Amino acid sequence: GAGVSQSPRYKVAKRGQDVALRCDPISGHVSLFWYQQALGQGPEFLTYFQNEAQLDKSGLPSDRFFAERPEGSVSTLKIQRTQQEDSAVYLCASSPAESYEQYFGPGTRLTVT
Amino acid sequence: KQEVTQIPAALSVPEGENLVLNCSFTDSAIYNLQWFRQDPGKGLTSLLLIQSSQREQTSGRLNASLDKSSGRSTLYIAASQPGDSATYLCAVPPSQGGSEKLVFGKGTKLTVNP
Repeated sequence: GAGVSQSPRYKVAKRGQDVALRCDPISGHVSLFWYQQALGQGPEFLTYFQNEAQLDKSGLPSDRFFAERPEGSVSTLKIQRTQQEDSAVYLCASSPAESYEQYFGPGTRLTVT
Repeated sequence: KQEVTQIPAALSVPEGENLVLNCSFTDSAIYNLQWFRQDPGKGLTSLLLIQSSQREQTSGRLNASLDKSSGRSTLYIAASQPGDSATYLCAVPPSQGGSEKLVFGKGTKLTVNP
């Protein structure tokens, strides 16, 4: 079946621009996660949804970062007024109910110039 | 705060060799540990998930073990192949109970030479 998909796969933004990154989880998966992965590092947690409820946003680095999942399926991660330090790969993962196994998408590589 | 360390950071081996990747974590109150593979420019592929009640899991040439009391896990790869070349990441839940998010190590970059 279809896995987690993310779009765009690559995004170049000029400093100060707003960007929106999309995640389509596996159909029926209750939980959705966003992670940020800097070059040469492991992914770091940003935020977590259970259905449409954002249960944990403790990893969002600043108030420029905002995530939503209004209908409990597709999620969007928005970054306002991008800065160079926002350059990273943004990974989305989903997992079904009563399972801790997370399934990852291919990521969106964001480059802020 | 949960911290995950993976050693070595990089490993280069000839094809056919058996190898072990190591992962350690600071808070042993975990309920599972997951090993992932990441190919360059790609997302993460789940390899094995070990529940806290298990000591090991096997999938094909891969075997992962978990020793919660010592805060360690190993990933054993038998008869390595060039196609195994990738970065291997381990991940555990954070120290706070009840959270489903994962804390990752920095990974071990494996190169298997033909």
